[in-house]
Amino acid sequence: RKEVEQDPGPFNVPEGATVAFNCTYSNSASQSFFWYRQDCRKEPKLLMSVYSSGNEDGRFTAQLNRASQYISLLIRDSKLSDSATYLCVVYPGSGNTGKLIFGQGTTLQVKP
Amino acid sequence: DVKVTQSSRYLVKRTGEKVFLECVQDMDHENMFWYRQDPGLGLRLIYFSYDVKMKEKGDIPEGYSVSREKKERFSLILESASTNQTSMYLCASRGGSSYNEQFFGPGTRLTVL
Repeated sequence: RKEVEQDPGPFNVPEGATVAFNCTYSNSASQSFFWYRQDCRKEPKLLMSVYSSGNEDGRFTAQLNRASQYISLLIRDSKLSDSATYLCVVYPGSGNTGKLIFGQGTTLQVKP
Repeated sequence: DVKVTQSSRYLVKRTGEKVFLECVQDMDHENMFWYRQDPGLGLRLIYFSYDVKMKEKGDIPEGYSVSREKKERFSLILESASTNQTSMYLCASRGGSSYNEQFFGPGTRLTVL
Protein backbone atom coordinates (compact mmCIF):
# COMPACT_ATOMS: atom_id res chain seq x y z
CA ARG A 1 0.00 0.00 0.00
CA LYS A 2 1.29 3.44 -0.89
CA GLU A 3 1.92 5.83 1.98
CA VAL A 4 -0.18 8.55 0.35
CA GLU A 5 -2.81 7.69 -2.23
CA GLN A 6 -4.73 9.95 -4.57
CA ASP A 7 -7.01 9.42 -7.53
CA PRO A 8 -4.89 10.65 -10.47
CA GLY A 9 -7.95 11.82 -12.43
CA PRO A 10 -8.14 13.77 -14.63
CA PHE A 11 -11.11 15.59 -13.23
CA ASN A 12 -12.73 17.57 -16.06
CA VAL A 13 -15.14 20.21 -14.79
CA PRO A 14 -16.80 23.32 -16.27
CA GLU A 15 -15.98 26.78 -15.03
CA GLY A 16 -17.93 27.63 -11.91
CA ALA A 17 -18.23 24.04 -10.73
CA THR A 18 -17.33 22.80 -7.28
CA VAL A 19 -14.84 19.96 -7.22
CA ALA A 20 -13.41 17.90 -4.37
CA PHE A 21 -10.31 15.73 -4.12
CA ASN A 22 -9.56 13.19 -1.46
CA CYS A 23 -6.32 11.67 -0.34
CA THR A 24 -5.64 8.83 2.11
CA TYR A 25 -2.50 8.22 4.14
CA SER A 26 -1.29 5.05 5.82
CA ASN A 27 0.71 6.29 8.82
CA SER A 28 -1.70 7.12 11.61
CA ALA A 29 1.04 8.97 13.52
CA SER A 30 1.56 11.52 10.73
CA GLN A 31 1.87 15.04 12.07
CA SER A 32 1.33 17.58 9.31
CA PHE A 33 -0.58 17.69 6.07
CA PHE A 34 -0.48 19.92 3.01
CA TRP A 35 -1.78 20.46 -0.48
CA TYR A 36 0.72 21.53 -3.12
CA ARG A 37 -0.15 22.72 -6.60
CA GLN A 38 1.90 21.95 -9.70
CA ASP A 39 1.21 23.75 -12.96
CA CYS A 40 2.16 22.09 -16.23
CA ARG A 41 5.96 22.08 -16.69
CA LYS A 42 6.47 23.95 -13.43
CA GLU A 43 7.67 23.03 -9.95
CA PRO A 44 5.27 22.19 -7.09
CA LYS A 45 4.35 25.03 -4.76
CA LEU A 46 2.59 25.03 -1.41
CA LEU A 47 -1.12 25.74 -1.80
CA MET A 48 -2.21 25.38 1.81
CA SER A 49 -1.61 23.53 5.02
CA VAL A 50 -4.36 21.30 6.38
CA TYR A 51 -5.44 21.59 10.01
CA SER A 52 -7.62 19.29 12.09
CA SER A 53 -10.20 22.03 12.48
CA GLY A 54 -10.35 22.57 8.72
CA ASN A 55 -9.18 25.72 7.02
CA GLU A 56 -10.28 27.94 4.20
CA ASP A 57 -8.42 30.23 1.84
CA GLY A 58 -10.78 32.02 -0.51
CA ARG A 59 -12.39 29.41 -2.77
CA PHE A 60 -10.27 26.61 -1.33
CA THR A 61 -11.17 24.55 1.73
CA ALA A 62 -8.99 21.83 3.20
CA GLN A 63 -10.07 19.30 5.78
CA LEU A 64 -8.40 16.54 7.74
CA ASN A 65 -10.08 13.46 9.13
CA ARG A 66 -7.56 11.74 11.42
CA ALA A 67 -9.90 8.90 12.39
CA SER A 68 -10.31 7.85 8.76
CA GLN A 69 -6.85 9.03 7.70
CA TYR A 70 -7.92 11.16 4.81
CA ILE A 71 -7.46 14.71 3.66
CA SER A 72 -9.70 16.62 1.31
CA LEU A 73 -9.49 19.71 -0.86
CA LEU A 74 -12.62 21.49 -2.04
CA ILE A 75 -12.48 24.10 -4.78
CA ARG A 76 -15.56 26.25 -5.24
CA ASP A 77 -16.43 28.32 -8.32
CA SER A 78 -13.64 26.75 -10.40
CA LYS A 79 -11.63 29.05 -12.67
CA LEU A 80 -9.70 28.15 -15.81
CA SER A 81 -6.57 29.09 -13.90
CA ASP A 82 -7.24 26.34 -11.35
CA SER A 83 -6.23 23.76 -13.97
CA ALA A 84 -3.21 22.03 -12.47
CA THR A 85 -2.10 18.94 -10.62
CA TYR A 86 -2.83 18.93 -6.89
CA LEU A 87 -0.42 16.98 -4.71
CA CYS A 88 -1.40 15.66 -1.31
CA VAL A 89 1.58 15.80 1.06
CA VAL A 90 2.11 14.27 4.49
CA TYR A 91 4.84 14.90 7.05
CA PRO A 92 5.19 11.72 9.10
CA GLY A 93 7.02 13.50 11.90
CA SER A 94 9.69 12.35 14.30
CA GLY A 95 11.97 9.51 13.30
CA ASN A 96 11.58 10.39 9.68
CA THR A 97 14.50 12.83 9.37
CA GLY A 98 12.38 15.50 7.76
CA LYS A 99 11.04 13.79 4.65
CA LEU A 100 7.72 14.83 3.20
CA ILE A 101 5.68 12.10 1.54
CA PHE A 102 4.08 13.16 -1.75
CA GLY A 103 1.06 11.60 -3.38
CA GLN A 104 1.11 11.11 -7.14
CA GLY A 105 -1.22 14.03 -7.67
CA THR A 106 -4.73 14.62 -8.98
CA THR A 107 -5.06 16.44 -12.29
CA LEU A 108 -7.79 19.04 -12.65
CA GLN A 109 -8.87 20.45 -16.01
CA VAL A 110 -11.35 23.31 -15.86
CA LYS A 111 -13.14 23.85 -19.18
CA PRO A 112 -14.82 27.04 -20.43
CA ASP B 1 11.57 35.18 -1.08
CA VAL B 2 13.20 31.77 -0.95
CA LYS B 3 14.97 30.94 -4.09
CA VAL B 4 16.11 27.51 -5.22
CA THR B 5 18.04 27.47 -8.46
CA GLN B 6 19.20 24.59 -10.59
CA SER B 7 22.16 24.76 -12.94
CA SER B 8 20.32 23.80 -16.12
CA ARG B 9 16.72 23.70 -17.35
CA TYR B 10 17.48 21.24 -20.14
CA LEU B 11 20.36 18.81 -20.49
CA VAL B 12 21.15 16.18 -23.11
CA LYS B 13 23.81 13.56 -22.36
CA ARG B 14 25.00 10.30 -23.83
CA THR B 15 24.85 6.88 -22.20
CA GLY B 16 27.84 6.33 -19.95
CA GLU B 17 28.60 10.01 -19.38
CA LYS B 18 29.05 11.39 -15.87
CA VAL B 19 26.39 14.00 -15.17
CA PHE B 20 26.36 16.69 -12.49
CA LEU B 21 23.17 18.49 -11.51
CA GLU B 22 23.69 21.45 -9.22
CA CYS B 23 21.21 23.02 -6.84
CA VAL B 24 21.65 26.17 -4.78
CA GLN B 25 19.32 27.70 -2.18
CA ASP B 26 19.67 31.13 -0.63
CA MET B 27 17.71 30.77 2.64
CA ASP B 28 20.20 28.91 4.83
CA HIS B 29 17.94 25.84 4.90
CA GLU B 30 19.22 22.73 6.64
CA ASN B 31 17.36 20.20 4.52
CA MET B 32 17.83 19.66 0.81
CA PHE B 33 16.32 17.04 -1.46
CA TRP B 34 16.63 15.57 -4.93
CA TYR B 35 13.58 14.06 -6.65
CA ARG B 36 12.82 12.74 -10.05
CA GLN B 37 9.36 13.05 -11.55
CA ASP B 38 8.01 10.76 -14.24
CA PRO B 39 4.51 10.52 -15.74
CA GLY B 40 2.34 8.14 -13.75
CA LEU B 41 4.95 7.74 -11.01
CA GLY B 42 4.82 11.12 -9.33
CA LEU B 43 7.69 12.57 -7.31
CA ARG B 44 10.22 10.01 -6.12
CA LEU B 45 12.91 10.89 -3.60
CA ILE B 46 16.44 10.02 -4.69
CA TYR B 47 18.58 11.42 -1.87
CA PHE B 48 18.31 14.04 0.80
CA SER B 49 20.62 15.88 3.16
CA TYR B 50 19.83 17.38 6.54
CA ASP B 51 23.19 19.04 7.09
CA VAL B 52 26.52 19.73 5.44
CA LYS B 53 28.29 16.51 4.51
CA MET B 54 25.28 14.48 5.67
CA LYS B 55 23.22 12.47 3.24
CA GLU B 56 20.57 9.79 3.32
CA LYS B 57 19.20 7.54 0.64
CA GLY B 58 15.69 8.14 -0.50
CA ASP B 59 13.44 5.66 -2.24
CA ILE B 60 15.40 5.25 -5.49
CA PRO B 61 19.12 5.96 -4.87
CA GLU B 62 20.52 3.34 -7.26
CA GLY B 63 22.64 4.87 -9.99
CA TYR B 64 22.94 8.21 -8.19
CA SER B 65 25.20 9.85 -5.63
CA VAL B 66 25.14 13.26 -3.97
CA SER B 67 27.48 15.80 -2.48
CA ARG B 68 26.87 18.54 0.06
CA GLU B 69 30.08 20.35 0.84
CA LYS B 70 28.39 23.68 1.60
CA LYS B 71 25.05 24.34 3.22
CA GLU B 72 23.61 26.17 0.25
CA ARG B 73 24.62 23.67 -2.42
CA PHE B 74 23.45 20.10 -3.05
CA SER B 75 24.71 18.23 -6.08
CA LEU B 76 23.28 15.13 -7.73
CA ILE B 77 25.69 12.95 -9.66
CA LEU B 78 24.92 10.29 -12.21
CA GLU B 79 28.16 8.30 -12.35
CA SER B 80 27.32 6.61 -15.66
CA ALA B 81 24.13 7.92 -17.20
CA SER B 82 21.66 5.43 -18.64
CA THR B 83 18.58 5.93 -20.79
CA ASN B 84 16.27 5.00 -17.91
CA GLN B 85 17.56 8.07 -16.06
CA THR B 86 15.88 10.32 -18.60
CA SER B 87 13.52 12.33 -16.41
CA MET B 88 12.66 15.64 -14.80
CA TYR B 89 14.90 16.25 -11.78
CA LEU B 90 13.68 18.58 -9.04
CA CYS B 91 15.71 19.93 -6.18
CA ALA B 92 14.04 21.24 -3.02
CA SER B 93 14.98 22.80 0.28
CA ARG B 94 13.28 23.23 3.62
CA GLY B 95 14.12 24.72 6.98
CA GLY B 96 14.34 27.93 8.90
CA SER B 97 11.16 29.59 10.12
CA SER B 98 8.91 27.81 7.63
CA TYR B 99 9.99 24.29 8.46
CA ASN B 100 7.03 22.55 6.91
CA GLU B 101 7.03 24.35 3.57
CA GLN B 102 9.29 22.83 0.96
CA PHE B 103 10.58 25.04 -1.83
CA PHE B 104 11.38 23.56 -5.20
CA GLY B 105 13.73 24.63 -7.95
CA PRO B 106 12.44 24.96 -11.53
CA GLY B 107 13.64 21.48 -12.48
CA THR B 108 16.15 20.04 -14.96
CA ARG B 109 14.81 18.03 -17.86
CA LEU B 110 17.56 15.45 -18.50
CA THR B 111 17.58 13.36 -21.65
CA VAL B 112 20.05 10.49 -21.92
CA LEU B 113 20.58 9.25 -25.46
